[in-house]
Amino acid sequence: DAGVTQSPTHLIKTRGQHVTLRCSPISGHKSVSWYQQVLGQGPQFIFQYYEKEERGRGNFPDRFSARQFPNYSSELNVNALLLGDSALYLCASSLIQDGTRDGYTFGSGTRLTVV
Amino acid sequence: AQSVTQLGSHVSVSEGALVLLRCNYSSSVPPYLFWYVQYPNQGLQLLLKYTSAATLVKGINGFEAEFKKSETSFHLTKPSAHMSDAAEYFCAVSNTGRRALTFGSGTRLQVQP
Repeated sequence: DAGVTQSPTHLIKTRGQHVTLRCSPISGHKSVSWYQQVLGQGPQFIFQYYEKEERGRGNFPDRFSARQFPNYSSELNVNALLLGDSALYLCASSLIQDGTRDGYTFGSGTRLTVV
Repeated sequence: AQSVTQLGSHVSVSEGALVLLRCNYSSSVPPYLFWYVQYPNQGLQLLLKYTSAATLVKGINGFEAEFKKSETSFHLTKPSAHMSDAAEYFCAVSNTGRRALTFGSGTRLQVQP
């Protein structure tokens, strides 16, 4: 069975540009969460989506947005990129909204570099 | 707000030696606690989790952790380190409402031959 898949694996963007990152959860998983991992730090929670609705939001500016599609895949959008947005963006899926019970499964991430 | 603190950003052990990675939590309610491992250029893999059942939790790859409420700790141990254990390890706690994880800053484990 396929795990959590993220695309692209790497990309380079220029300051001020916009970026879209994509995530496909494990088949049957209805919850998708996004995390940002800056080099040398632990991941930080950005969003959780469950049944296509935003269920949680971390402390990130409005430049960050996301959505979940009917097939439960998700996109993370970042506008007006800053150098500080350079990070590994991780997607995690879970069967239900409370992923702590059955566990979150993480993808391998998208490495975003802003120059 | 719930948080975890990982003591020691780098830990180095010899192959075959005991591995001890420290994690202390701050929570006003009984937490769910997790240990994840991250290999270079990869995502996070769940090693084990505590969800208020047994206080001694066994995970994959020979790792285990003990929940100690009196010490607010959830340290990760492995009796004998293997070269393949070299990686970054993260302790995490589930937040109120259990909709997200709050991670520590990580501990990089080096295993010397």
